Amino acid sequence: GENVEQHPSTLSVQEGDSAVIKCTYSDSASNYFPWYKQELGKGPQLIIDIRSNVGEKKDQRIAVTLNKTAKHFSLHITETQPEDSAVYFCAPSGRYNDMRFGAGTRLTVKP
Amino acid sequence: GAGVSQSPSNKVTEKGKDVELRCDPISGHTALYWYRQSLGQGLEFLIYFQGNSAPDKSGLPSDRFSAERTGGSVSTLTIQRTQQEDSAVYLCASSLSGQATGELFFGEGSRLTVL
Repeated sequence: GENVEQHPSTLSVQEGDSAVIKCTYSDSASNYFPWYKQELGKGPQLIIDIRSNVGEKKDQRIAVTLNKTAKHFSLHITETQPEDSAVYFCAPSGRYNDMRFGAGTRLTVKP
Repeated sequence: GAGVSQSPSNKVTEKGKDVELRCDPISGHTALYWYRQSLGQGLEFLIYFQGNSAPDKSGLPSDRFSAERTGGSVSTLTIQRTQQEDSAVYLCASSLSGQATGELFFGEGSRLTVL
């Protein structure tokens, strides 16, 4: 299966600042690049995804950028708010049946 | 509701007992996944079902773990002779498209505690 690394493992920012989380993967055949947000006591929920024919995608305050050559993609959150505090997971996939998740990044937004 | 439903939400058992965890996916979703999440950790892939195809069991950690999916819908994850290291949240997810290139919809999980 895919080898996935996610950095940083924890991130603390001041409300209003930006946050960036990076995901590195191993399989050059991967063609689907989602980010999930997991709030305490809940299952992960998709917040944004990108496919390999697109380099960047934005949805209000969140964006994902993809660098297929370097095999990494990043989640960008601008104007962070306390409700953005959660654990974020990447899950690059495409070739294999299973969808492997990164180890997660715990984001804390301080008011 | 229209989401993925898991039961029980909490299960406390004694070491050595068997447990069954149930997942009811979103109607019409052909793909179903089980993951395990230990406290403060990431999601560990366990097993994947796609339609009537043979499941991908490559993530099951030992032969004490098994899963079934009856009629292409409800799935049951069974853990035999539970051990303390089995304590975790077991998450189920379903997907419309399968082939790991579409959104996964997760349930809220079953928290298993083995004493």
